Amino acid sequence: GDSVTQMEGPVTLSEEAFLTINCTYTATGYPSLFWYVQYPGEGLQLLLKATKADDKGSNKGFEATYRKETTSFHLEKGSVQVSDSAVYFCALSGWQGGKLIFGQGTELSVKP
Amino acid sequence: DADVTQTPRNRITKTGKRIMLECSQTKGHDRMYWYRQDPGLGLRLIYYSFDVKDINKGEISDGYSVSRQAQAKFSLSLESAIPNQTALYFCATGTGGRNEQFFGPGTRLTVL
Repeated sequence: GDSVTQMEGPVTLSEEAFLTINCTYTATGYPSLFWYVQYPGEGLQLLLKATKADDKGSNKGFEATYRKETTSFHLEKGSVQVSDSAVYFCALSGWQGGKLIFGQGTELSVKP
Repeated sequence: DADVTQTPRNRITKTGKRIMLECSQTKGHDRMYWYRQDPGLGLRLIYYSFDVKDINKGEISDGYSVSRQAQAKFSLSLESAIPNQTALYFCATGTGGRNEQFFGPGTRLTVL
């Protein structure tokens, strides 16, 4: 079945450092891909998405490109801030009735 | 006002008790979902509903039941709570297909 694998955390960075969180997926057909963010004590918010190969999703300085050839959707940000500290989830939605399949989440901690 | 609301936000109960978690949405979506979040496991689907008369089991439905009282309301019940059901529970709504879902703030359930 469909699955998503994320790099394990926690990831600790200094403010203004470059961020990459790796995400790879296995799916039949052409799923949509998402990054969700969960700030402490809150629910999940959609950060960005891409619906077809080579699409780039972007929001709040974060970017991710849908790479079909490597089945990846890595999250990047050029300069992280303390306020980016959160748990980040990669997810896909395939042809399974709109169900989301999540990775295990990656906790990011940004230090001043 | 929030588009997806969950009540209660926190609940502590004892083994063997019956618990109901409630979800309401104002987004007008037909599809509603219940997920469970455990550390290091991401979110896993418990039940989902495509409309009032269509209820489906997810990957971890054992020990849970649901009721779709109206398009806007979807409740999750634990008939006889056990400690390994201690987790963070999220309700979500969506339009299906390969589109994103919208999450409530979560209910933190502790079973002693």
